[in-house]
Amino acid sequence: QSALTQPASVSGSPGQSITISCTGTSSDVGGYNYVSWYQQHPGKAPKLMIYDVSNRPSGVSNRFSGSKSGNTASLTISGLQAEDEADYYCSSYTSSSSFVFGTGTKVTVL
Amino acid sequence: QITLKESGPTLVKPTQTLTLTCTFSGFSLSTSGVGVGWIRQPPGKALEWLALIYWNDDKRYSPSLKSRLTITKDTSKNQVVLTMTNMDPVDTATYYCAHVLIVGPFDYWGQGTLVTVSS
Repeated sequence: QSALTQPASVSGSPGQSITISCTGTSSDVGGYNYVSWYQQHPGKAPKLMIYDVSNRPSGVSNRFSGSKSGNTASLTISGLQAEDEADYYCSSYTSSSSFVFGTGTKVTVL
Repeated sequence: QITLKESGPTLVKPTQTLTLTCTFSGFSLSTSGVGVGWIRQPPGKALEWLALIYWNDDKRYSPSLKSRLTITKDTSKNQVVLTMTNMDPVDTATYYCAHVLIVGPFDYWGQGTLVTVSS
């Protein structure tokens, strides 16, 4: 299976909102509501930020939200803060009962 | 709380077999719905899902790497072992293990272990 497609980079100023897209196919993103998003700071392990398209784990800021339309899922970060500068990856369960990750997006806070 | 930690060699030679162990605590791999997965990340590149084993010994592999991977579990030791055969320099990466439910997500991750493939 091919990696899910994400923009290589997204940037925004503090306080602004940004959205990261994650495009797959009807065999993964479009076929299931099992899309998750991960934040990764340099040298650190990924951290779960969103699961099942739009659910936040306990302790994750409500500035992070997720949605999905067709074969594309999105992560929105509102009220952008310096600490949000990191790499973000989406992931989806697939029709072959496996998982696939996205190509990754570097978020820069200007 | 749930913790996971990867262990194994930091350096392997091309064509050798890599064996990585994930030792975890805070959950049991005999609990229905629970799994442990392996994900890797080459330096400066994206995450790549490799394999997954569930509580019922159901195993899933990345289609592109399936012929080279084997995942097993030792429930009594709280360990999951991943073997990858015929290692190549392109397999140089940080390898992570993670706790996962049936359809995801990967909610708890180990710190990762960097494996370099070089002669």
